[in-house]
Amino acid sequence: ILNVEQSPQSLHVQEGDSTNFTCSFPSSNFYALHWYRWETAKSPEALFVMTLNGDEKKKGRISATLNTKEGYSYLYIKGSQPEDSATYLCASYNFGNEKLTFGTGTRLTIIP
Amino acid sequence: SAVISQKPSRDICQRGTSLTIQCQVDSQVTMMFWYRQQPGQSLTLIATANQGSEATYESGFVIDKFPISRPNLTFSTLTVSNMSPEDSSIYLCSVEEDRATGLFFGSGTQLSVL
Repeated sequence: ILNVEQSPQSLHVQEGDSTNFTCSFPSSNFYALHWYRWETAKSPEALFVMTLNGDEKKKGRISATLNTKEGYSYLYIKGSQPEDSATYLCASYNFGNEKLTFGTGTRLTIIP
Repeated sequence: SAVISQKPSRDICQRGTSLTIQCQVDSQVTMMFWYRQQPGQSLTLIATANQGSEATYESGFVIDKFPISRPNLTFSTLTVSNMSPEDSSIYLCSVEEDRATGLFFGSGTQLSVL
């Protein structure tokens, strides 16, 4: 059984502040790491798919890094806005498991 | 990017009854995935639905409890049978167009079983 863990479980951030949270995943037989944003009453939306050690990806104010050797990824949000309030999910794809394994998510609330 | 229409968006059901959830995709896809998220838990894969063959179920999930239909490449249904309060969850369907873009999800079905 593969474990994907995210921390913190929830987070309150003042509007305008920057923040980050962590995803840890099994490093053995690693293939890909996914980040999703899930807003209330909407579909989860893919943010990043990352495969290479040292990868850094950016979409607007959101960026992510990947360390496949030690099995962790960070998601960064710069200058938080109310519309960033959502649950952020990461998921790992490892050979031999043949499916995405999700973490429980980090629930982010931006305080105006 | 694929657009998925999922319904119902929510339902409140009595114990012992069944609910069928539908997903319609705006393009043809080989595999559709059914997930659920129980309160406080991670998204968990129930099964993979392939057109023209039986669905592939993950450990802990069985066809009698979660029968799946996949009549064509754009549509699938998941039935939650003989429901109990433990089935109260969010159920999501999803598709993958290619591995570089990640999954596309339906908007989810919030199920509450009394």
